[in-house]
Amino acid sequence: AQRVTQPEKLLSVFKGAPVELKCNYSYSGSPELFWYVQYSRQRLQLLLRHISRESIKGFTADLNKGETSFHLKKPFAQEEDSAMYYCAHRPGSKLTFGTGTRLQVTL
Amino acid sequence: NAGVMQNPRHLVRRRGQEARLRCSPMKGHSHVYWYRQLPEEGLKFMVYLQKENIIDESGMPKERFSAEFPKEGPSILRIQQVVRGDSAAYFCASSPSEGTLSGYTFGSGTRLTVV
Repeated sequence: AQRVTQPEKLLSVFKGAPVELKCNYSYSGSPELFWYVQYSRQRLQLLLRHISRESIKGFTADLNKGETSFHLKKPFAQEEDSAMYYCAHRPGSKLTFGTGTRLQVTL
Repeated sequence: NAGVMQNPRHLVRRRGQEARLRCSPMKGHSHVYWYRQLPEEGLKFMVYLQKENIIDESGMPKERFSAEFPKEGPSILRIQQVVRGDSAAYFCASSPSEGTLSGYTFGSGTRLTVV
């Protein structure tokens, strides 16, 4: 089945530490991959698209076809980064989400 | 542009009652998607609709759940004879077309509690 996997349910880091949220996909074609963020009790927001190769709020994500990964990275975590992060892909007409990783940034 | 509007924000129903969740897509968006988020779990796709058409309902439970997106008015997700296991956050998203590369725009969700 075509899916994305987020192996970590919770990632806890200190403020200022580097962050890497893992996402692996299983898809034989050219994937469309996204990262979404959900802050506490707020709606899901699009954070990054693989096709745009942009950096948003200091986050970047590079598509690695060899490792079938699309990990989300940030060099220095901030308290306001604490949220749920979902990796998603769209093999057809609908977005399919991973189970999410809760990022907890502590002082 | 008000974005994707969902109402009610919170809904409490007794077991056996019906729940109706509404979603008004962003202006200019003709594609609507419903997702369910169970406590401590990720988002599960339920159904994808266009105006007057259900395109993909592969994530909908076979019984008690139905969805529509009429020519006029919001999309409705309807749950009949609710049970405690239906308690979840239900999110609606919309997009302007099927293959958009900009992803979806999500609503704030409806939190359904069945007591």
